Amino acid sequence: EVQLLESGGGLVQAGGSLRLSCAASGFTFSSYAMRWVRQAPGKGLEWVSTFSSGDNTYYADSVKGRFTISRDNSKNTVYLQMNSLRAEDTAVYYCAKGSIGKTYYFDFWGQGTLVTVSS
Amino acid sequence: QTMVTQEPSFSVSPGGTVTLTCGLTSGSVSTSYYPSWYQQTPGQAPRTLIYSTNTRSSGVPDRFSGSILGNKAALTITGAQADDESDYYCVLYMGSGIWVFGGGTKLTVL
Repeated sequence: EVQLLESGGGLVQAGGSLRLSCAASGFTFSSYAMRWVRQAPGKGLEWVSTFSSGDNTYYADSVKGRFTISRDNSKNTVYLQMNSLRAEDTAVYYCAKGSIGKTYYFDFWGQGTLVTVSS
Repeated sequence: QTMVTQEPSFSVSPGGTVTLTCGLTSGSVSTSYYPSWYQQTPGQAPRTLIYSTNTRSSGVPDRFSGSILGNKAALTITGAQADDESDYYCVLYMGSGIWVFGGGTKLTVL
């Protein structure tokens, strides 16, 4: 059974930093891209970042230069280091498992962790 | 910057059929964007419904179907049930590792 468990959310002041973690189980972690998606209160979903199985990283323009995604395949964990946080970064952050092959979708989602940035 | 469009809200009667769409502010949606659809109820994580335009995710009832209609991706719910009342999001793969979600459609079943 696939499981994704996010942690690390909390309250932080604007300009501060936070590191989110997503511990994965139930699949061969190293073979899949891992992604972060966020949802501001009462708003829609926004793709944030991807770490591919081939070690490529991608970022939404809204976080580029401030957020860094990384992964540790030995720990089956993906991270999101968030620096220079802004009030508009306040959101539930979901970790999502990528799909296999050329299907390109978000296969499975964690339950999310809430990040609140106070201004 | 190209954005993904969805109807903000829609309503359907129990047992009825509804089609939600997913378009682009510039251009047409095709299978090359690998449109996928997700269902989300308040306080819950999204659930994957449809991927690669028209493939149902494991465990998804066959009353949910995906297609391309004209220049948009579409999610059709046939025989709507009360527990289909949710927010529905589409996302398109824009290439080069970039994804763009639509703003979501709030579906009411009444």
